[in-house]
Amino acid sequence: EVQLVESGGGLVQPGRSLRLSCAASGFTFDDYAMHWVRQAPGKGLEWVSGISWNSGSIGYADSVKGRFTISRDNAKNSLYLQMNSLRAEDTALYYCAKGATMIVGGEFDYWGQGTLVTVSS
Amino acid sequence: EIVLTQSPGTLSLSPGERATLSCRASQSVSSSYLAWYQQKPGQAPRLLIYGASSRATGIPDRFSGSGSGTDFTLTISRLEPEDFAVYYCQQYGSSPPRLTFGGGTKVEIK
Repeated sequence: EVQLVESGGGLVQPGRSLRLSCAASGFTFDDYAMHWVRQAPGKGLEWVSGISWNSGSIGYADSVKGRFTISRDNAKNSLYLQMNSLRAEDTALYYCAKGATMIVGGEFDYWGQGTLVTVSS
Repeated sequence: EIVLTQSPGTLSLSPGERATLSCRASQSVSSSYLAWYQQKPGQAPRLLIYGASSRATGIPDRFSGSGSGTDFTLTISRLEPEDFAVYYCQQYGSSPPRLTFGGGTKVEIK
């Protein structure tokens, strides 16, 4: 059974940093791209970032480019999102999602339950 | 960046009725790179359709996807009580990677 478990969310002040983690199990982690998708309270889905199976291809939404960094550790079956210079508009539930292919351009066939990030003073 | 516009924003229907949801792209999307997701309150999204018309594993055949170019449709042939939810379309064909979601359509009980 595929499982994606996010962690690392919490309350953080504007301008500070936070690192999210996603622990994956139930599939061959290094065969698939992985993604972060967020959802602000009461709003729709927003793709944040994606990383290919070997970290060779990475993409970011314009809203986070230059502030967020995605990475993965295939030996640990883990995905990360380093979030710097956080803003109030980054407040959201952050989902880890498994890509259906090795490359970043693919649909998301499994999702975690999300970790909540709240940016507020 | 490709912008996806979903309509209507809310669809009020009764169980047993047919639901037709629209997703329009600001520029052409390869049919291979259009997906639909269902999200229920308090739950993560679930993949329904990929490649514009292929059902994901375990998805009932009352769900179908169609379309090409800039116009795509998700059809639910006969609504079951568990189908009342929010539906999102997503494109994932751009390069460099810029995946985008539509704003969503809420299917509610009339």
